[in-house]
Amino acid sequence: NAGVTQTPKFRVLKTGQSMTLLCAQDMNHEYMYWYRQDPGMGLRLIHYSVGEGTTAKGEVPDGYNVSRLKKQNFLLGLESAAPSQTSVYFCASKGTAALLAGAYNEQFFGPGTRLTVL
Amino acid sequence: GNSVTQMEGPVTLSEEAFLTINCTYTATGYPSLFWYVQYPGEGLQLLLKATKADDKGSNKGFEATYRKETTSFHLEKGSVQVSDSAVYFCALSSISGGSTLGRLYFGRGTQLTVWP
Repeated sequence: NAGVTQTPKFRVLKTGQSMTLLCAQDMNHEYMYWYRQDPGMGLRLIHYSVGEGTTAKGEVPDGYNVSRLKKQNFLLGLESAAPSQTSVYFCASKGTAALLAGAYNEQFFGPGTRLTVL
Repeated sequence: GNSVTQMEGPVTLSEEAFLTINCTYTATGYPSLFWYVQYPGEGLQLLLKATKADDKGSNKGFEATYRKETTSFHLEKGSVQVSDSAVYFCALSSISGGSTLGRLYFGRGTQLTVWP
C-alpha cells in the first residue's frame, strides 16, 4: 500500500496562473481532506469530502475548488493563484468503519506539496 | 466552538532531557485528543491519542493524559533523543450535533530540536 500520495511535491506559480494538486489514496477511505500549513498557524482545513461526488467547505475555502470524481482521488484547484496561497498543502484520508463503533478512525496524511506563488 | 492552544516554540533540549509540551483545548461535545508529529520534509503521523477523560495515550516513550478538569493534554517524554527532533501538533476531534465527520482541529505546532 502506498497510503496517501500527493503530486506534485513542489511547484512555483506566477500570480494569476492556475494549477491542480492531486491526492490519491489506496486504502478505500470514504473521507478525504485538504489542509494548508502556514508558519505559526498549524493546519487549517480548506475543503473536505465525505464520499465520491460530494465536497464541502472547511475553514479557509476561498480561492480554492475541489472535486471528488473517484473515491480514491481528491483534487484541489487554484483557478487564479495569489501570493497569499503560498503554503504547504497536505491531503489526508480517513475510513469510517470505527466511527460506527463509536471509536476514532485515524487520519492518514500525504507528504505534502510545497507551493510558492510569486 | 472547538480550538486547541499549545505551547509556542521553539523548544531546544539536550539529549536525555525531560520534555513537556503544553496543550489545552476548548470543545463542544466529547472530544478525542491527539498528538501528531511531523518529521522534516514529511507529512503528519499520529503519535498518540486518548478518547475519553483520564485516558493516557502512549507511544515511543511519549505520554499524554486526557485531563477533563483542566481541559489539557500535555505531551511528555522522560528522556528525549536527537531523533525526536520534529514539529509536534496537538489536535482534537469532536463528534457533536449528530455529525460523524470527526474533523480535526490543530494547534499551531511546537518545533522541538534535540542536541546531542
